[in-house]
Amino acid sequence: NAGVTQTPKFQVLKTGQSMTLQCAQDMNHNSMYWYRQDPGMGLRLIYYSASEGTTDKGEVPNGYNVSRLNKREFSLRLESAAPSQTSVYFCASSEAQREKLFFGSGTQLSVL
Amino acid sequence: EDQVTQSPEALRLQEGESSSLNCSYTVSGLRGLFWYRQDPGKGPEFLFTLYSAGEEKEKERLKATLTKKESFLHITAPKPEDSATYLCAVQGPMGRQLTFGSGTQLTVLP
Repeated sequence: NAGVTQTPKFQVLKTGQSMTLQCAQDMNHNSMYWYRQDPGMGLRLIYYSASEGTTDKGEVPNGYNVSRLNKREFSLRLESAAPSQTSVYFCASSEAQREKLFFGSGTQLSVL
Repeated sequence: EDQVTQSPEALRLQEGESSSLNCSYTVSGLRGLFWYRQDPGKGPEFLFTLYSAGEEKEKERLKATLTKKESFLHITAPKPEDSATYLCAVQGPMGRQLTFGSGTQLTVLP
């Protein structure tokens, strides 16, 4: 099993550019999440999808949008990237909202 | 607002030197406390879930314990392969999202 797959692994953007981070899971999980990880701040939830067809804001949603394309795929879009969005982004999934999370390997994003 | 504080930020141990990592939390109505391990350049990997004060769980050289205010991750006779960042997270009564601590970076020297 591949588990949770994220693409790309690395990305460099200029301020104002847009991009979409892709995430797919093959564990038939209902819930999916996008986190960002910054030094000294821990993982912070950006958006989550409790089940197919639903999405909700997390702690730090500003500047992001998400799409739950189907049960397997959950994408994160930056419409106009800002230097403050330089971070490592992790996608995760779980069988249900209160269950343990399975994480992807992350996307390191730099916005210049 | 849920809060999680982990200490120390970094810990260096000699191989075989046992120690403990601390996770202090503030949450109104704990639904679960999670421990994850994160290796450099990788996503966190689940270790344990604890649900109520007094609960303990073990896996190889690791044992997690829980009180009403904090959790400890005890590492017995660590090996270099135990080197990683250990993350603690709590889930409050709504159960919709986890609040993570900033982690303890553990280095075990051979």
